[in-house]
Amino acid sequence: DAKTTQPPSMDCAEGRAANLPCNHSTISGNEYVYWYRQIHSQGPQYIIHGLKNNETNEMASLIITEDRKSSTLILPHATLRDTAVYYCIVSGAGGTSYGKLTFGQGTILTVHP
Amino acid sequence: KAGVTQTPRYLIKTRGQQVTLSCSPISGHRSVSWYQQTPGQGLQFLFEYFSETQRNKGNFPGRFSGRQFSNSRSEMNVSTLELGDSALYLCASQRQGSSYNEQFFGPGTRLTVL
Repeated sequence: DAKTTQPPSMDCAEGRAANLPCNHSTISGNEYVYWYRQIHSQGPQYIIHGLKNNETNEMASLIITEDRKSSTLILPHATLRDTAVYYCIVSGAGGTSYGKLTFGQGTILTVHP
Repeated sequence: KAGVTQTPRYLIKTRGQQVTLSCSPISGHRSVSWYQQTPGQGLQFLFEYFSETQRNKGNFPGRFSGRQFSNSRSEMNVSTLELGDSALYLCASQRQGSSYNEQFFGPGTRLTVL
């Protein structure tokens, strides 16, 4: 699986958009970009994933650059409950990727009142 | 729909002992993955089971093993415990036939080895 690079920490004001960047310059054509988050003392939570198109769901939006070498997770209106570690993960489908997510160090997002 | 459940939630063992952790996936999910989380190494993949077969394995010693039952419930076992095995052990399940890794995690079992 391709390696990802994320800033160690970011801050965001409550109610504002949080934009979390991720670099994955060695991503392969069949690899997806996933975002998970882990709130303190809980198991990770799936947020969103994408292949090459931008994606949106009820939690967030995922913007993937045209060359697929980087992406941005957008939380449109951050709340205090969004304070967590956010992981950007690149993973293929099937084969050696069955059920396997390779977590890096992630970005600690702190949302301030 | 009930989420992924793990038992026990907390466990204290001494070096040299063995331990068995249990995971019940979301109903209808047939893939179960296990992870170890420590402050030093972060979240690391242990193994994945689907239809009672191990399909994928991480880079852990043979002391770490697992199995899956016909009802998709899974157990992992750690033999000859070492201090470094103290960690949060997480399991995650996902739907059969899913072409991507949308995993649902349980709350974890906190293992302390003394």
